Amino acid sequence: GAVVSQHPSRVICKSGTSVKIECRSLDFQATTMFWYRQFPKKSLMLMATSNEGSKATYEQGVEKDKFLINHASLTLSTLTVTSAHPEDSSFYICSAGGLALQETQYFGPGTRLLVL
Amino acid sequence: QKEVEQDPGPLSVPEGAIVSLNCTYSNSAFQYFMWYRQYSRKGPELLMYTYSSGNKEDGRFTAQVDKSSKYISLFIRDSQPSDSATYLCAMGSNSGYALNFGKGTSLLVTP
Repeated sequence: GAVVSQHPSRVICKSGTSVKIECRSLDFQATTMFWYRQFPKKSLMLMATSNEGSKATYEQGVEKDKFLINHASLTLSTLTVTSAHPEDSSFYICSAGGLALQETQYFGPGTRLLVL
Repeated sequence: QKEVEQDPGPLSVPEGAIVSLNCTYSNSAFQYFMWYRQYSRKGPELLMYTYSSGNKEDGRFTAQVDKSSKYISLFIRDSQPSDSATYLCAMGSNSGYALNFGKGTSLLVTP
C-alpha cells in the first residue's frame, strides 16, 4: 500500500511557540491531503483539506490563522500550529489521497503534540 | 442525525471468535466504503476498500456492503489478540473530498 510519513512523531514545546508538522507521501503523488486532530479515545476530527498549489479549506470552527497549512508540492504538506497553547495538545494525523489511489486515503502515523 | 453511525463498544471477544463490526449511514450518495484499523497512538491503517454492494474477502477479513439498507460490516474470522484495536468505518462520495468517519469501535480480543 501507499506510504505516508509524518515528522516529528512527537513534540513538546513551550506555550507561545510555533510548531511545524510535516506530512509526506513517499511513493505516490498526493493531490489532496487532509489534516485531522484526535483526542484520546475519540474519533478523528477533520481540520482542513488541502490541494496542491491552492489554499486549504478549513472546517467550521478551525482557526486558519492558528493552524497554517501549506501544500507546496504533490508529496509534502505542512501544518504549523502558531502560538501554541496547552489546549492545542493533541494527536495530529494527516492523510493523503491521489488520482492513482482512486478514493482511498492513506494515513500518516500521527504526531503527538504536548504544549507546556 | 450523524451521517455515519458506529457503535463505539467496547467489544470484548475470546480469541478465535468471529467478530462482526457494523456501520450504518444515511447519505445515499456514498459510493465507496473503507475500514481502517487504529492501534493506540498510531495512525489509522487501511484494511479494506469496497466500491459496490456485496462481499469482499481478504484473508481473515470480509467487508460487506448493503447499499439498499445503507449498512456495512466487517467480519474478522479466527480473531487474535493482535486484532485488538479501534476499527473505523469510512465512506465517501467523491474522489478528493474528505471521508466521513464513524466514531470507531474498540475491540479487545482476549487470549
